[in-house]
Amino acid sequence: SAVISQKPSRDICQRGTSLTIQCQVDSQVTMMFWYRQQPGQSLTLIATANQGSEATYESGFVIDKFPISRPNLTFSTLTVSNMSPEDSSIYLCSVAEGGEQYFGPGTRLTVT
Amino acid sequence: ELKVEQNPLFLSMQEGKNYTIYCNYSTTSDRLYWYRQDPGKSLESLFVLLSNGAVKQEGRLMASLDTKARLSTLHITAAVHDLSATYFCAVDGAGSYQLTFGKGTKLSVIP
Repeated sequence: SAVISQKPSRDICQRGTSLTIQCQVDSQVTMMFWYRQQPGQSLTLIATANQGSEATYESGFVIDKFPISRPNLTFSTLTVSNMSPEDSSIYLCSVAEGGEQYFGPGTRLTVT
Repeated sequence: ELKVEQNPLFLSMQEGKNYTIYCNYSTTSDRLYWYRQDPGKSLESLFVLLSNGAVKQEGRLMASLDTKARLSTLHITAAVHDLSATYFCAVDGAGSYQLTFGKGTKLSVIP
C-alpha cells in the first residue's frame, strides 16, 4: 500500500497569511486528492490533482483560495491562501492505488 | 449530486454486544469504502466493496454491500473497547476515485 507523508503535521497561523502543505508518496501515482475535515465533521473533497493537468476543484472551492501544484507523480502541494479562522481544519491528501484509496496523516491547521 | 447518509451518528454500546451501522447512498457507484478514524489521527482503510452482494470480514467487523438497495452495512460482533472510534463510509462516484463521505458514526464501547 502507498505510504503518504505530509508536512507540516500541524501549524498555527495568523489570519491573512498563507500556508503551503506538502504531500509526498512513496510510489508513483496518477491520482491525488486533497480533502478538508473541519472540526468534528466529515471529510470534503477540495480538488483532484493529476500530474500534467490543472487541478479540478469541487463546488465551493476555488483556485485562488486553494492553489495546488502537482509537479510529478509522487508529490503535490496545497496552499491555503489569505487564511481566516474558518479555514481551521485538518487537510488530508490521498492517493488512489490498486482500487484502494489511502490517506496521509493530515495537517492540522489553526488560524487565529 | 451523490449523497451518503450514515446512521446512527452516535452509538454507545456495551462490550460483548452486536450492532450494525448503515450507509445509504443516492446514486450508482463503483466502490464503497469503510474507514476508521481514531481521535487526532488520519483514516485507516477497513474495507473496499466492489460488487453487489460483496461481504468482507476482518476480526469483529463485517461489511456488506447491496447495490440494488444502495446500502452498505458495517456489523460489529461482540464489541470490545478497542473498537471505539469514528467510522466513515465513503462512496466513489462513477469510478472517479473522488469520494463522498457520510457524516461518520462515533462509536463508544463501554466496558
